[in-house]
Amino acid sequence: DAGVIQSPRHEVTEMGQEVTLRCKPISGHDYLFWYRQTMMRGLELLIYFNNNVPIDDSGMPEDRFSAKMPNASFSTLKIQPSEPRDSAVYFCASSRSADTQYFGPGTRLTVL
Amino acid sequence: GESVGLHLPTLSVQEGDNSIINCAYSNSASDYFIWYKQESGKGPQFIIDIRSNMDKRQGQRVTVLLNKTVKHLSLQIAATQPGDSAVYFCAENRNTGFQKLVFGTGTRLLVSP
Repeated sequence: DAGVIQSPRHEVTEMGQEVTLRCKPISGHDYLFWYRQTMMRGLELLIYFNNNVPIDDSGMPEDRFSAKMPNASFSTLKIQPSEPRDSAVYFCASSRSADTQYFGPGTRLTVL
Repeated sequence: GESVGLHLPTLSVQEGDNSIINCAYSNSASDYFIWYKQESGKGPQFIIDIRSNMDKRQGQRVTVLLNKTVKHLSLQIAATQPGDSAVYFCAENRNTGFQKLVFGTGTRLLVSP
């Protein structure tokens, strides 16, 4: 199994630009999660999907953030417009059940 | 509680020693707990989990202990190796009806050869 796949691994952009992060969950997993990790706040859940439907987006910081899951094998997290304070490592995770989550390698985002 | 992450507690051990990493959780209704290992530049990696109807679970070189009375979780690593050096997170499922893990602050384990 290839595990959770994320792209890009690193993204450097300028303030105001649109950023799109991508995730391919483990095949057969019906839950998908987006997390953000920073030194100040640790690991925070942003949003999660079950069977491609968003279930809880209470962690999404503001309207600049949006996430979609058009099918069982693909999800995107978009930031528009990006700001320097969005700089963080963004992780995607997936799980087959409501318990053990398996994380991808993350996307390190730097907004200048 | 919620992740803070500003200053990670650090545990330094010698190779071959046993390591014990502790975690206090906040919600007595939590019914599922997981330990993750995160190496530099990588995503958190699942190590071991335990449900609230158990107080101990063993894996390969790792043991998780759960004390529900004092809301305490520990991860024991036997014969610690340099490859065990990483940040270790505990996570709890707060049984809110949603699939939502809350991660602890994390502990950095440094293993000296």
